[in-house]
Amino acid sequence: EAQVTQNPRYLITVTGKKLTVTCSQNMNHEYMSWYRQDPGLGLRQIYYSMNVEVTDKGDVPEGYKVSRKEKRNFPLILESPSPNQTSLYFCASSRGGSLESYEQYFGPGTRLTVT
Amino acid sequence: QKEVEQNSGPLSVPEGAIASLNCTYSDRGSQSFFWYRQYSGKSPELIMSIYSNGDKEDGRFTAQLNKASQYVSLLIRDSQPSDSATYLCAVRSGGYNKLIFGAGTRLAVHP
Repeated sequence: EAQVTQNPRYLITVTGKKLTVTCSQNMNHEYMSWYRQDPGLGLRQIYYSMNVEVTDKGDVPEGYKVSRKEKRNFPLILESPSPNQTSLYFCASSRGGSLESYEQYFGPGTRLTVT
Repeated sequence: QKEVEQNSGPLSVPEGAIASLNCTYSDRGSQSFFWYRQYSGKSPELIMSIYSNGDKEDGRFTAQLNKASQYVSLLIRDSQPSDSATYLCAVRSGGYNKLIFGAGTRLAVHP
């Protein structure tokens, strides 16, 4: 089954404790992105990646890191989480290339709470 | 800052009616436009994409694009209670794979 997976689905942590949210896709997609979703603010892009070892900042990159060492994986790293990073996080992937290939497919989401 | 604007709603329609959802965008160079449906607590699900001016129909859904007016809409015919969700408009802006999302319109279909 073609899918984007994320782990963990739920995470409660404390301020300053480094964490990683994993994202993996099995569709051989070139492009992958991380979004956060907050009430009233909608989906905002954190980082995106066009291919292995190629990443760029989205609209809200502060406090986050990413890496793309393999095509299928795109982990999101919070080196020192703070309460304002409490949010619902989504990973997404798309094939890239032609116009139609930019249709993004989302993972199930990770609900993060930082206390 | 490139923007995508949607009425937050809620838009309330009776079962069987046509629901009309609207979206405007600021980047005149945008080429790809998407509608996602998101149920509460779930991930966004792609339901329509449109790339050229005019209408595109898929089952009960019709997407409409007017690039001159920088306007994209989604019509849902014969609305069902199961259509009750938040509908997100997304616009591909700039190069690569950067999608700008609107904040979403909440649709409520009542029996």
